[in-house]
Amino acid sequence: AQTVTQSQPEMSVQEAETVTLSCTYDTSESDYYLFWYKQPPSRQMILVIRQEAYKQQNATENRFSVNFQKAAKSFSLKISDSQLGDAAMYFCAYRSTGNQFYFGTGTSLTVIP
Amino acid sequence: DTGVSQDPRHKITKRGQNVTFRCDPISEHNRLYWYRQTLGQGPEFLTYFQNEAQLEKSRLLSDRFSAERPKGSFSTLEIQRTEQGDSAMYLCASSLGGLAGDTQYFGPGTRLTVL
Repeated sequence: AQTVTQSQPEMSVQEAETVTLSCTYDTSESDYYLFWYKQPPSRQMILVIRQEAYKQQNATENRFSVNFQKAAKSFSLKISDSQLGDAAMYFCAYRSTGNQFYFGTGTSLTVIP
Repeated sequence: DTGVSQDPRHKITKRGQNVTFRCDPISEHNRLYWYRQTLGQGPEFLTYFQNEAQLEKSRLLSDRFSAERPKGSFSTLEIQRTEQGDSAMYLCASSLGGLAGDTQYFGPGTRLTVL
């Protein structure tokens, strides 16, 4: 079974600085998708960024980018120019070929003004 | 369309009672997912539908849990003979399906408390 590990329960960053959230996963599949979701306090989960495993190029969405290392099964999220609104729980997720999704335990990000 | 909606947002019940939750997906989405999320954890996959067909079901989904999606539109999740361990947030998500990475859009969740 696939597992997703987020080893940083909590992270903090100064406003306007850069922070990297870590995620590793375990799988025997070669074709899959990876996602980062953001869950603000008491609000619903929203997609931040996604990566197709067959693409070598790292995905980028404005201030958010990933470092996808397929051989190492690593999928980290970099947030540049951090803003107060980035404060949230961030979940890394894996989608298998069978279309099941597996989520990590999350990293709580605090942005310090 | 305003997104995925779930009803009720909160439910308090006594142990042993049955509860039913409803999810209305984004109208053109043919895939619908149910998750359970407990405090401090990520969502755990329960089941998903492609239109009206239930295609995958987690081993977490005991025989007390049943989900339906009649006519491929809204879905219901029923929990029979609730136990205190069922207390959690139940999340619904929908997606278009196809080859586009299947981006899920989540609803606000139903928080269940079993006394």
